[in-house]
Amino acid sequence: GQQLNQSPQSMFIQEGEDVSMNCTSSSIFNTWLWYKQDPGEGPVLLIALYKAGELTSNGRLTAQFGITRKDSFLNISASIPSDVGIYFCAGPPLIQGAQKLVFGQGTRLTINP
Amino acid sequence: SAVISQKPSRDICQRGTSLTIQCQVDSQVTMMFWYRQQPGQSLTLIATANQGSEATYESGFVIDKFPISRPNLTFSTLTVSNMSPEDSSIYLCSVLRSNTEAFFGQGTRLTVV
Repeated sequence: GQQLNQSPQSMFIQEGEDVSMNCTSSSIFNTWLWYKQDPGEGPVLLIALYKAGELTSNGRLTAQFGITRKDSFLNISASIPSDVGIYFCAGPPLIQGAQKLVFGQGTRLTINP
Repeated sequence: SAVISQKPSRDICQRGTSLTIQCQVDSQVTMMFWYRQQPGQSLTLIATANQGSEATYESGFVIDKFPISRPNLTFSTLTVSNMSPEDSSIYLCSVLRSNTEAFFGQGTRLTVV
């Protein structure tokens, strides 16, 4: 089935560094969603993007909806220990209908103090 | 955002038995979604539960193995039947806001021994 290619799969950084991760697809998306999952919890929505080229911020997080509608990236600036977790991109492929989300493989972020 | 409560939060079950997971939402929703997250993996949609009709299952998931109930607009259950160790996963229920933004319960961590 439809999959999203998310990279990198893992990141090991120092506190204070910036982080960048991205997601690509072979098909068009009308919405891109970015989630964070802490251990023992369900994913929590961070940012939702609805328009090609859209750049949206949520505190230290910034995400962009690619012009081709087949990619998106998430940046985290000045990382802090609570940023540790797994980040997922997700979206409803145009061909599958608006309600069915597919998820990227996730980016596991580890921060060294 | 919706408040979604899942029970149990975790369980350890014997192979061959069944476990029913409950999901309660604090507002009425048309569709509820059940996802599986295998260890170290991303989320995969199992089925969509509509009130008043049979659930719609994704490829690779069948009703006999994952029967779903949806008795009203705020509640759903997912049963994992005749469990084997391969069913050890986190099971998550989800609802949509704005037609595409998914919100998740905290998940049920199932271990089959």
